This record gives sequence, C-alpha cells and structure tokens, in this order.
Amino acid sequence: GQQLNQSPQSMFIQEGEDVSMNCTSSSIFNTWLWYKQDPGEGPVLLIALYKAGELTSNGRLTAQFGITRKDSFLNISASIPSDVGIYFCAGQENSGGSNYKLTFGKGTLLTVNP
Amino acid sequence: DTAVSQTPKYLVTQMGNDKSIKCEQNLGHDTMYWYKQDSKKFLKIMFSYNNKELIINETVPNRFSPKSPDKAHLNLHINSLELGDSAVYFCASDPGQGISAAFFGQGTRLTVV
Repeated sequence: GQQLNQSPQSMFIQEGEDVSMNCTSSSIFNTWLWYKQDPGEGPVLLIALYKAGELTSNGRLTAQFGITRKDSFLNISASIPSDVGIYFCAGQENSGGSNYKLTFGKGTLLTVNP
Repeated sequence: DTAVSQTPKYLVTQMGNDKSIKCEQNLGHDTMYWYKQDSKKFLKIMFSYNNKELIINETVPNRFSPKSPDKAHLNLHINSLELGDSAVYFCASDPGQGISAAFFGQGTRLTVV
C-alpha cells in the first residue's frame, strides 16, 4: 500500500520562529491534507489541497501540493505556544468507485517554548 | 453541537470481553470511517462506509465488525478483545464523492487489561 514519509519526527522551537514540515510518498495522491491533533482530541483539518502545484494559506499556515503529486509541505509562521501539537499529513488516493482512502504520515510533534 | 460524536470516550475492559463503540455525525455526510491510532500515534484506516455500504475493509481481524444502521451512524463492535486492541479509535466522516475533508470525533481510548 501507499506509504508516507513525514519529517521531521519532532521539532523544538522558540515562540516567534517559523516552522516547516513535509511529506513525501512513493506514489501519486489526488489530494493532500494537513491535520493537527491536540492531546486527548481527534485530528482537526487545517488545510486541504486538491490540485498539483496548489499553494493555500490559512492564517499563519501555508501548505503546498507538490507538482509531482508525491509531496507536500506545511509552513507555520511566527509560531505561538498554542501551535503545540502533532501535525499529520494525509494523502488521498482514489482506488476506484467511491473508494477514497486516506493514508496518514507518522506525524510531526511540535513543541513551542515561550 | 458536536459534529462527530463517539461514545464512550474511555473504555477499560478485560481480555475476552465484547464491547461496542458508537459514532454519530450530524453533518449530513455520506461517508463514515473508523481509524485506529496506536501508542506511537500512527493513524490507520480500518473501515469506510458510504451510505451504509461497506467500501473499505483494511484487513482488520474479523473480531471487528462495523455496523451502519443509517448514514449518520457507524458503530464498531469488537469481539473477544485482546491486549493488542488497546488503542485510540477515531470515527470520522466526510461528504464523500471525493471530497476528502474528513472530520474526526474525539476518539475512544480503549484499554484492554
């Protein structure tokens, strides 16, 4: 099956710094999604990317769908303490019919020091 | 006004027992999922239902049986629980038709002792 390589595995940064994380896959995806998970909660969708080359922003977050459709990155600018959490990339493939499956990366644990 | 709600939030049970987790979404979505998150936080899809029809079954042991009485509900029943079933189980939904912005529930932390 599809595999996603997400890096880095963890990051420790100072408040105010910018952050970048990325995902690469061995195969093509139709859609890339970025989620954030807080402790004890379910993942929350941050940004969805539907077209190769698409660059989308959501506040201080910016994500891009790679031209090859095999990669995506997420940038967070001017980090704040509440950015702490686990960030997941997810890629969606269409396996036929209504079979749309999300494959998740292993997550990037972000710690922001005030 | 919780969009995707699942119960219970915590479940502690002994090996060999049978248990169920319930999920309901009030978003009018066509597609619902069950995901398993292990102790290393890896999220893996287990099942997907579209309009009450099973679409994806990711080689999950047949001790796990999803049931969708209507498109707003997707329950997960687990028979003969094993220690390795301990994990956080997430229900999710999306509009279907290739629109993959999945909304997740809060999760059910299952601990098998």
